[in-house]
Amino acid sequence: KAGVTQTPRYLIKTRGQQVTLSCSPISGHRSVSWYQQTPGQGLQFLFEYFSETQRNKGNFPGRFSGRQFSNSRSEMNVSTLELGDSALYLCASSLDRSGYEQYFGPGTRLTVT
Amino acid sequence: GNSVTQMEGPVTLSEEAFLTINCTYTATGYPSLFWYVQYPGEGLQLLLKATKADDKGSNKGFEATYRKETTSFHLEKGSVQVSDSAVYFCALLQAGTALIFGKGTTLSVSS
Repeated sequence: KAGVTQTPRYLIKTRGQQVTLSCSPISGHRSVSWYQQTPGQGLQFLFEYFSETQRNKGNFPGRFSGRQFSNSRSEMNVSTLELGDSALYLCASSLDRSGYEQYFGPGTRLTVT
Repeated sequence: GNSVTQMEGPVTLSEEAFLTINCTYTATGYPSLFWYVQYPGEGLQLLLKATKADDKGSNKGFEATYRKETTSFHLEKGSVQVSDSAVYFCALLQAGTALIFGKGTTLSVSS
């Protein structure tokens, strides 16, 4: 069974631009969560989607948004990029909302210049 | 609020040495506890988990026991290999919430 895939793997953007990252969960998985990983703050939860609805949200500004499609694929968008948004963005999928078996993708490395 | 504290790294060991990475947590109620591992250039992989007090999670020679009395979930391995070199994250989960991770501990094993 294919794992979680994230595209693109690497991205370079300029301050003020916006970016969209994509995540394809494991087949049959309905929950997708997004995390930001930085050297200073570590791993921080962004949001979780289940059945196309945002179920949980972390403490991030409104510039960070996401959505989930009927096939469970998810996208996250960051508008008006700031230098501090440079990070590895990880997506995790799970069968249900319990969170006990989350499978992570390889991440998208975003660099903001 | 809930939080996870891990020992600072890096941890540098020789092959076949004994490994301990300390993890303590703060949480209300009874969270589930996890260890994840991240190899260079990859995402996180679930290494082991425990869902209630005194449970022992184990996988690939790694073990951790959920100790409610000391709010700890220390990771151990009797004999590390070079291939174990990675970053290890302790995490907790309470029902209806998201994973909360520690800062991570880098393990470097030399032959």
